[in-house]
Amino acid sequence: SQKIEQNSEALNIQEGKTATLTCNYTNYSPAYLQWYRQDPGRGPVFLLLIRENEKEKRKERLKVTFDTTLKQSLFHITASQPADSATYLCALRGGATNKLIFGTGTLLAVQP
Amino acid sequence: EPEVTQTPSHQVTQMGQEVILRCVPISNHLYFYWYRQILGQKVEFLVSFYNNEISEKSEIFDDQFSVERPDGSNFTLKIRSTKLEDSAMYFCASSYGRSYEQYFGPGTRLTVT
Repeated sequence: SQKIEQNSEALNIQEGKTATLTCNYTNYSPAYLQWYRQDPGRGPVFLLLIRENEKEKRKERLKVTFDTTLKQSLFHITASQPADSATYLCALRGGATNKLIFGTGTLLAVQP
Repeated sequence: EPEVTQTPSHQVTQMGQEVILRCVPISNHLYFYWYRQILGQKVEFLVSFYNNEISEKSEIFDDQFSVERPDGSNFTLKIRSTKLEDSAMYFCASSYGRSYEQYFGPGTRLTVT
């Protein structure tokens, strides 16, 4: 069955450093991969979308890579700030379906 | 910036009662979705809706669930006879097209007692 794994339950880093979050998947060939931020008790907030034919996407301090051979996406936040502390969700979608399949998320804590 | 809105933010109901969760998607979006998240678990897909009909649904979305777009702006999820295990956060989402990103609302916390 399809499986999406996100690295470690919590990631603690110092302010100013780069946070790198991992999303690995198996038994799936996604056409799109999306990253969301979720704060406690709130809805997912869209951050970036990357398509299967794209290697990398950037938006301000955010960068996402997509390696369909490794079946992995990396999500980077450069110059991290305490306000970046949240849970980050990876979500995949196939080409013939509308539904997003979510990972369990990685809790990021940026220490001042 | 346009956003998806949902009402109510919190709904408490007794087992066996019907509930209707309401959503106003982003105005120029054409695809609408419901997801749910049980406390501490993943966000799970329930249903997608396009052109006034269900385009896809999950195994969770059984006969107890229904969706409707009663007018040009609202999108609703009805649970006919709630069970304890329906307690969750329910998120509405919308997208401009199938290959576009999905934007989520703030959610409705449903508590079934």
